[in-house]
Amino acid sequence: DAGVTQSPTHLIKTRGQQVTLRCSPKSGHDTVSWYQQALGQGPQFIFQYYEEEERQRGNFPDRFSGHQFPNYSSELNVNALLLGDSALYLCASGQLTGAYGYTFGSGTRLTVV
Amino acid sequence: GQQVMQIPQYQHVQEGEDFTTYCNSSTTLSNIQWYKQRPGGHPVFLIQLVKSGEVKKQKRLTFQFGEAKKNSSLHITATQTTDVGTYFCAQETSGSRLTFGEGTQLTVNP
Repeated sequence: DAGVTQSPTHLIKTRGQQVTLRCSPKSGHDTVSWYQQALGQGPQFIFQYYEEEERQRGNFPDRFSGHQFPNYSSELNVNALLLGDSALYLCASGQLTGAYGYTFGSGTRLTVV
Repeated sequence: GQQVMQIPQYQHVQEGEDFTTYCNSSTTLSNIQWYKQRPGGHPVFLIQLVKSGEVKKQKRLTFQFGEAKKNSSLHITATQTTDVGTYFCAQETSGSRLTFGEGTQLTVNP
């Protein structure tokens, strides 16, 4: 049990469509970060949410947006999907200091066709 | 932006052999975290190193942080098949953002 719950586990979308991925953080964690992991590569930081606001953003276009709800859960939205958006999308929760590392969910495998 | 370089990219060992992966940065790291990702799985936090020259052990795993805080290593003694996976180092920058190395994929032959 990862403690972080992501849904759905797998998703197939067509180029140009929009997708919403969901994440429930581990109990006691107040920050949620999203990462994109292409096959054979390390996770790439998309953005982080804390207190329902985006605190930091990685080098991703505006097609990637997110939201954090009062219960700390979060959504990642991707508009106008491209074939290159196919990847494993990971949600990581933690405490703001990160002193105890971050807990990752099992991810959503997105395939864009 | 700041990057961490990780070597080797792949490592194949016989069960019982030792394994080491190295993480290097051109700039001083505030801290370094290590994660393990099993095939088809997700990254799992192993440890965080903060202090210069720090050495931490977890059973057969030994983690080191360089004196200049520009490099780190993970050493596994007497590998087992359960050690199979990709090991990532990750730099935590301001705002709790993780920048991952490219990982070292370890395979262990029984």
